[in-house]
Amino acid sequence: AQSVTQPDIHITVSEGASLELRCNYSYGATPYLFWYVQSPGQGLQLLLKYFSGDTLVQGIKGFEAEFKRSQSSFNLRKPSVHWSDAAEYFCAVGENTGNQFYFGTGTSLTVIP
Amino acid sequence: DGGITQSPKYLFRKEGQNVTLSCEQNLNHDAMYWYRQDPGQGLRLIYYSQIVNDFQKGDIAEGYSVSREKKESFPLTVTSAQKNPTAFYLCASSRAGGSYEQYFGPGTRLTVT
Repeated sequence: AQSVTQPDIHITVSEGASLELRCNYSYGATPYLFWYVQSPGQGLQLLLKYFSGDTLVQGIKGFEAEFKRSQSSFNLRKPSVHWSDAAEYFCAVGENTGNQFYFGTGTSLTVIP
Repeated sequence: DGGITQSPKYLFRKEGQNVTLSCEQNLNHDAMYWYRQDPGQGLRLIYYSQIVNDFQKGDIAEGYSVSREKKESFPLTVTSAQKNPTAFYLCASSRAGGSYEQYFGPGTRLTVT
């Protein structure tokens, strides 16, 4: 069965420091991969997505993610974190047949000044 | 502006009452979804619909019901059979197929006492 694992429940970084959020997936075929961000009490906003091609994808707000098939990973990165990046981040995998998404349990990011 | 609306933002009900959460989209998407979000558990799929007049159960459908009479609307009813209905409910829509990103509404926080 498809699954997504985000091993870090909570991460704290200093403003201006780099960030990497981990995501591992289990899926038999080529996955469609997504990262979303959620501010408290709000819906989810799409940061970036990977379908095929270049394994390094750029998203909004200065985020990027790299797809590594050999490691079944799709880690999210940002070179310099801003206080406004504090939020919950979700990784998701979509089936290439059918309509379902599978979400990780999320990583909560705290940014300290 | 295109998007997904959910109403109301906050909803309070007494135990034993059914309650219906609204979800409307003007993105012309075929597929719509309902998720439940509890702290530390990520998003869990309740129901989804790929086309008008058709819908499928997700992972936690017990105690919930839906209808899809119009393409733009996918209301969710939380029935009295749902044992633990207090949660944050998110509606999403997408083009048909798991390769397409899902767009989320702002959510409805339901509190049942």
